[in-house]
Amino acid sequence: ETGVTQTPRHLVMGMTNKKSLKCEQHLGHNAMYWYKQSAKKPLELMFVYNFKEQTENNSVPSRFSPECPNSSHLFLHLHTLQPEDSALYLCASSQALQTGTHYGYTFGSGTRLTVV
Amino acid sequence: GEDVEQSLFLSVREGDSSVINCTYTDSSSTYLYWYKQEPGAGLQLLTYIFSNMDMKQDQRLTVLLNKKDKHLSLRIADTQTGDSAIYFCAESIDNQGGKLIFGQGTELSVKP
Repeated sequence: ETGVTQTPRHLVMGMTNKKSLKCEQHLGHNAMYWYKQSAKKPLELMFVYNFKEQTENNSVPSRFSPECPNSSHLFLHLHTLQPEDSALYLCASSQALQTGTHYGYTFGSGTRLTVV
Repeated sequence: GEDVEQSLFLSVREGDSSVINCTYTDSSSTYLYWYKQEPGAGLQLLTYIFSNMDMKQDQRLTVLLNKKDKHLSLRIADTQTGDSAIYFCAESIDNQGGKLIFGQGTELSVKP
């Protein structure tokens, strides 16, 4: 375990379902991230939260809805997904995004999502 | 904009050295990182280097940084089959609060 826990590890959902991915860290970090990793494609940054505020949304379709209720928890709510949304969804955290600071990210093990 | 480039594949024989290369574009990068991703897992931080250094060694891993050419490399000595994974290079962008920009990843295959 890295200190960043993602649940569930695997998820199969139909295109009309609604589900949520959960990410939790107790490392005292204040920045959290969602990444999408598809087969044969680079890591795609989806959302960034810094001190619970969303600071980045990289043109992600509205069928993906993030939620960050506190600095320790991050959710990704999913609804009416498409088969091409099948991928490994990775959560990461870091101490904070602040000018003059540089912290590596700690990643969770990911949720393998299959949309059928 | 910021960009990090890596070759996609590298194949080596067990016991040989592996060298994974990376180029980046942002001259303000302060830290550069190497992450390892094993199949079905998240990314694990392997090592990092501060931009005022040109080399860092950690057991079988050697990181070389050529800041003038914006070139970073990771050398794995005595490569083992357990080193088979995807290796990601990342740069930390100072004017974005230390946000990391990742390369596409290099898939290292170690043959017995």
